[in-house]
Amino acid sequence: GAVVSQHPSRVICKSGTSVKIECRSLDFQATTMFWYRQFPKKSLMLMATSNEGSKATYEQGVEKDKFLINHASLTLSTLTVTSAHPEDSSFYICSAREDSKIKETQYFGPGTRLLVL
Amino acid sequence: GQSLEQPSEVTAVEGAIVQINCTYQTSGFYGLSWYQQHDGGAPTFLSYNGLDGLEETGRFSSFLSRSDSYGYLLLQELQMKDSASYFCAVKWAGANNLFFGTGTRLTVIP
Repeated sequence: GAVVSQHPSRVICKSGTSVKIECRSLDFQATTMFWYRQFPKKSLMLMATSNEGSKATYEQGVEKDKFLINHASLTLSTLTVTSAHPEDSSFYICSAREDSKIKETQYFGPGTRLLVL
Repeated sequence: GQSLEQPSEVTAVEGAIVQINCTYQTSGFYGLSWYQQHDGGAPTFLSYNGLDGLEETGRFSSFLSRSDSYGYLLLQELQMKDSASYFCAVKWAGANNLFFGTGTRLTVIP
């Protein structure tokens, strides 16, 4: 099946620094990728929709200047958490929708656990 | 508003059958999906109901009834490895992304 990778899998950083998370579709093209955030024992909440070659679409309440998204190619989207603070500590998961598939299926990456000290 | 409600926790015995319900208020979605997520892991796709009725995939089955505004995931012959969180999810009409339910934490005990 389709594989989505994320890097890094885990990151610890100091408050005020920026962290970049990469999401790659390994064996398929994805015009659209999604970034979710999940707090412990909670559901996945969509942060933004990443569109190749155009600006990302952010959900209400998500600061686009804080969570920078770049979707420069059909297989790579990046999420940069700028000036991270402890409240940004969370599990960030990306997913990608395969362009060639008719059936609506999203493939999820393994997630990135961010801890901001 | 749009929401998918699930029981927060379910405990069942190894070898038994368990049903996890997903109820909603607003219709207008393309189909109901189910995902499994182990602690620290990513959600993995289990099942999809585009139409009303039962879909069977091995030990897992999923059901959707739009007239009754609910669906469920049925897990048979429970194994210890089935202990995980289970989420129903839909793509609302006009949206590109999956919207996830509140999630159910399943604990399988010996």
